[in-house]
Amino acid sequence: GAGVSQTPSNKVTEKGKYVELRCDPISGHTALYWYRQSLGQGPEFLIYFQGTGAADDSGLPNDRFFAVRPEGSVSTLKIQRTERGDSAVYLCASSLWGGHEQFFGPGTRLTVL
Amino acid sequence: GQQLNQSPQSMFIQEGEDVSMNCTSSSIFNTWLWYKQDPGEGPVLLIALYKAGELTSNGRLTAQFGITRKDSFLNISASIPSDVGIYFCAGHQPPDNFGNEKLTFGTGTRLTIIP
Repeated sequence: GAGVSQTPSNKVTEKGKYVELRCDPISGHTALYWYRQSLGQGPEFLIYFQGTGAADDSGLPNDRFFAVRPEGSVSTLKIQRTERGDSAVYLCASSLWGGHEQFFGPGTRLTVL
Repeated sequence: GQQLNQSPQSMFIQEGEDVSMNCTSSSIFNTWLWYKQDPGEGPVLLIALYKAGELTSNGRLTAQFGITRKDSFLNISASIPSDVGIYFCAGHQPPDNFGNEKLTFGTGTRLTIIP
């Protein structure tokens, strides 16, 4: 079956601009997670949704970052007033309710010039 | 944020050799997962461990959940070229009441096969 998909695969933007990153989880997965991966590092948690609600947003670095999942399926990560330090690969993962195993998408590489 | 300690950071081996890597933490974990990541791709789940002392295999891969719950090990036997990549450990820390909690990742072990 289809895995987690993310769009766009690459995004180049200028400092100060607004960006949206999209994630389509595996069908039937109620939990959805966003992680950020800097070069040479492991992924770091940003936020996770159980259904439509954000169950844990403790990893969001500041209030420029926001994520939504209005219908409990597709999620959008929104970054306002982007900074060069936001450049990273943004990974999305999903899992079944009660499942420990998270399945990742290919990521969106964000470059802020 | 916190990252688990993985060692070695990198390995250079010849095809056919066995590989061992480990992951340690100062705090206990309820689950351990091992992922492999290829360039430009997301991490792919290899093995999941759920109980202290558990030993689980997936083909040529074997992983163990340390008895102290603070470490995990991954072994790859008879390495082949497609084993090249970065291996990450990850785990769920308590409380993990619902099974859906954030993962804490390790710093990664980069595996290279020398021709």
